[in-house]
Amino acid sequence: EAQVTQNPRYLITVTGKKLTVTCSQNMNHEYMSWYRQDPGLGLRQIYYSMNVEVTDKGDVPEGYKVSRKEKRNFPLILESPSPNQTSLYFCASSSLGISPDGTSGWLLSYNEQFFGPGTRLTVL
Amino acid sequence: AQSVAQPEDQVNVAEGNPLTVKCTYSVSGNPYLFWYVQYPNRGLQFLLKYITGDNLVKGSYGFEAEFNKSQTSFHLKKPSALVSDSALYFCAVRPLAGGSYIPTFGRGTSLIVHP
Repeated sequence: EAQVTQNPRYLITVTGKKLTVTCSQNMNHEYMSWYRQDPGLGLRQIYYSMNVEVTDKGDVPEGYKVSRKEKRNFPLILESPSPNQTSLYFCASSSLGISPDGTSGWLLSYNEQFFGPGTRLTVL
Repeated sequence: AQSVAQPEDQVNVAEGNPLTVKCTYSVSGNPYLFWYVQYPNRGLQFLLKYITGDNLVKGSYGFEAEFNKSQTSFHLKKPSALVSDSALYFCAVRPLAGGSYIPTFGRGTSLIVHP
């Protein structure tokens, strides 16, 4: 079954204690990303990765790190979590292709994303 | 900068009635538009997308969306709502070419279908 998995699903931790949320996909997707979901704010992208060893900041990257050493995995690292990072986190992946109009130098097609089930993080 | 507005936090509709969930957007150039649905305690699921072509896009679970370039809107519709459609719906946009690869999501609209 094609899926994106995240672990853990729920995590309660304390300020300053480093943690990692794992994300894995089995669809051989090039593109992976992390979002946080907060009430009234919708989804905001934290980091994304176009392929192995290629990562870039999203809209809200402060306080987070990511790595992409393998195509299937894209862990989210909080080196020193703070209470304002209490949120619901989603990992997502999608395949890349050729842009429909071909005008972009990147030839990027943003196909629909497949989302993981979410990780609810509470930082005390 | 691109943006998405979902003007209604909540939409209430009776089962069997038509439903509309509104979305307006702002983006440089042509838009690439999506609708996703989130059921309780689940991740987002793709419903449909608009790239080019016919302004009426059909998607999963009987949903469709109408792209209106002059009004910069992409409203989600369904002719007959089901109680099981109750969920949180997100509209998203990014430029079709160039610009940011980062999609912008709306804040979400909670759809409640009453029996």
